[in-house]
Amino acid sequence: LAKTTQPISMDSYEGQEVNITCSHNNIATNDYITWYQQFPSQGPRFIIQGYKTKVTNEVASLFIPADRKSSTLSLPRVSLSDTAVYYCLVGRPSNTGKLIFGQGTTLQVKP
Amino acid sequence: SQTIHQWPATLVQPVGSPLSLECTVEGTSNPNLYWYRQAAGRGLQLLFYSVGIGQISSEVPQNLSASRPQDRQFILSSKKLLLSDSGFYLCAWRSGAVSTEAFFGQGTRLTVV
Repeated sequence: LAKTTQPISMDSYEGQEVNITCSHNNIATNDYITWYQQFPSQGPRFIIQGYKTKVTNEVASLFIPADRKSSTLSLPRVSLSDTAVYYCLVGRPSNTGKLIFGQGTTLQVKP
Repeated sequence: SQTIHQWPATLVQPVGSPLSLECTVEGTSNPNLYWYRQAAGRGLQLLFYSVGIGQISSEVPQNLSASRPQDRQFILSSKKLLLSDSGFYLCAWRSGAVSTEAFFGQGTRLTVV
């Protein structure tokens, strides 16, 4: 399993765009990059998944450079309700099981 | 649609007492199932995962155990709780070979006193 490294915490203000970068130098050819969001006292919730280039959904965008050794989760125009912990995971759809979460990035959005 | 049920939501147990947390999934078959624990202010620690009935992989050797008696049922147990077992326990499932997207239950807040 590829190890991931993210900043421990980030601060932002309402209305700003937030970019959270995750490093995964040992990503394997078949690995996907998945981001989750977790609010206090709740389970994590899937945000977005990608393999290469750019993926966008109604919540976020995910940018993956050609070497795939890092990825950036972009949250447009954050609000106070985006205050949460964001986790980057690297792995593949597989019946061999494991999902390992790192420490995540605590995003604090201020008014 | 698929749903995951985890109970109880909160639990206060004395040291040395047993524990049984249950998780069930509906609307899917042969899911990968997971138990995580989260200490206050910390990340998620994978405790156990299962890719099929009776197949349990342990990530953290301690006084907890897990069982999967049915395809969509995952149970976390302990014979004697320790203070250090306090935390937020989360069950999750994903459709193994299809996706890396996992779905989590609402969690159980366990306080060992």
